[in-house]
Amino acid sequence: EAQVTQNPRYLITVTGKKLTVTCSQNMNHEYMSWYRQDPGLGLRQIYYSMNVEVTDKGDVPEGYKVSRKEKRNFPLILESPSPNQTSLYFCASTYLGGGEKLFFGSGTQLSVL
Amino acid sequence: ELKVEQNPLFLSMQEGKNYTIYCNYSTTSDRLYWYRQDPGKSLESLFVLLSNGAVKQEGRLMASLDTKARLSTLHITAAVHDLSATYFCAVDTYSGGGADGLTFGKGTHLIIQP
Repeated sequence: EAQVTQNPRYLITVTGKKLTVTCSQNMNHEYMSWYRQDPGLGLRQIYYSMNVEVTDKGDVPEGYKVSRKEKRNFPLILESPSPNQTSLYFCASTYLGGGEKLFFGSGTQLSVL
Repeated sequence: ELKVEQNPLFLSMQEGKNYTIYCNYSTTSDRLYWYRQDPGKSLESLFVLLSNGAVKQEGRLMASLDTKARLSTLHITAAVHDLSATYFCAVDTYSGGGADGLTFGKGTHLIIQP
């Protein structure tokens, strides 16, 4: 089954404790992206990647890192989480070239205390 | 900076009625997407509109795109309760070198009451 898999689904952590949210897709998509969703703000792009070893900043990249060592995986790293990073995070992927719908993961609800 | 504005942001309507959600965007683009999100769930793709005048229909939902007006509409016909959800439009800022990504509107929270 074609899917984008995110883990964990829920995460509670404390300020400053490094964490990684994993994202994996099995559709051989070139393009992968991370979004955060906050009430009243919709979805905002954090980082995206157009292929292995190619990543770029989205609209709200501060406090986040990503890597794309393999085509199927695109982890989101918070080196030193802060409470303002409490949010619902979505990973998404699609074929490159535009005009294709995004496939979204099931989301990760992160709370930073 | 691309801005995508949806309205209304909240809509409560009765079953059987028709209504339209509007999505305006601030820069040239001919790629617009509509997504649906149920509470606590991920986003599901509804429509992909890729040219001026594009119209897509699925059941009671119909989406259209007017690139000259920078406007897309999502029309709901004879609404039913199952269509209650949050609807997002998103515009592609593809710039030739690759997909820069989608800019989303803030979403329209739709409640359909019996």
